[in-house]
Amino acid sequence: AQTVTQSQPEMSVQEAETVTLSCTYDTSESDYYLFWYKQPPSRQMILVIRQEAYKQQNATENRFSVNFQKAAKSFSLKISDSQLGDAAMYFCAYNLKGNEKLTFGTGTRLTIIP
Amino acid sequence: DARVTQTPRHKVTEMGQEVTMRCQPILGHNTVFWYRQTMMQGLELLAYFRNRAPLDDSGMPKDRFSAEMPDATLATLKIQPSEPRDSAVYFCASRMGLAGGYEQYFGPGTRLTVT
Repeated sequence: AQTVTQSQPEMSVQEAETVTLSCTYDTSESDYYLFWYKQPPSRQMILVIRQEAYKQQNATENRFSVNFQKAAKSFSLKISDSQLGDAAMYFCAYNLKGNEKLTFGTGTRLTIIP
Repeated sequence: DARVTQTPRHKVTEMGQEVTMRCQPILGHNTVFWYRQTMMQGLELLAYFRNRAPLDDSGMPKDRFSAEMPDATLATLKIQPSEPRDSAVYFCASRMGLAGGYEQYFGPGTRLTVT
């Protein structure tokens, strides 16, 4: 069974600095999707970024980018120029292609220090 | 802009009462998911539907929970009778079929408190 591990329960970063959140996953498959979701205090789960496993290029969305290392089964999220609104729980998730289910990690709580 | 909607946003009820939560998926999305989030268990998948047909409800306590999709614009999750351990945030999510991008879009959640 696929598992997703987020080894950092909590992280903090100074406003305007850069922070990287870690995620590793375990799978024997080669074609899958990876996601980062953000859950602010409002509880809304917001899709931040998506990566397709067969694409070598790392996905980028404005200040958010990923470092996808397929061989190492690693999918870290980098947030540049951190803003107060980035404070949230961040969940890494895996979806095997052809399968309906998302497998979530346990989340990393990110605090932004003004 | 298109979004998943859920009602009610908050529900406080007494143990033994019936609770019904509703979800309107994004128009055109044919797969709908129900999740439960608690501090202890994190995000758990309860059930999901494709084209209104239930595909997997193995995450749900069968004796008290039921999920249906009466039509393509409405999914319901019902708890009868409710218990204090059902207190959680319940999320609905939808996505396009497997030909789409696989990303799920979540509703704002229903915070359920059972006293």
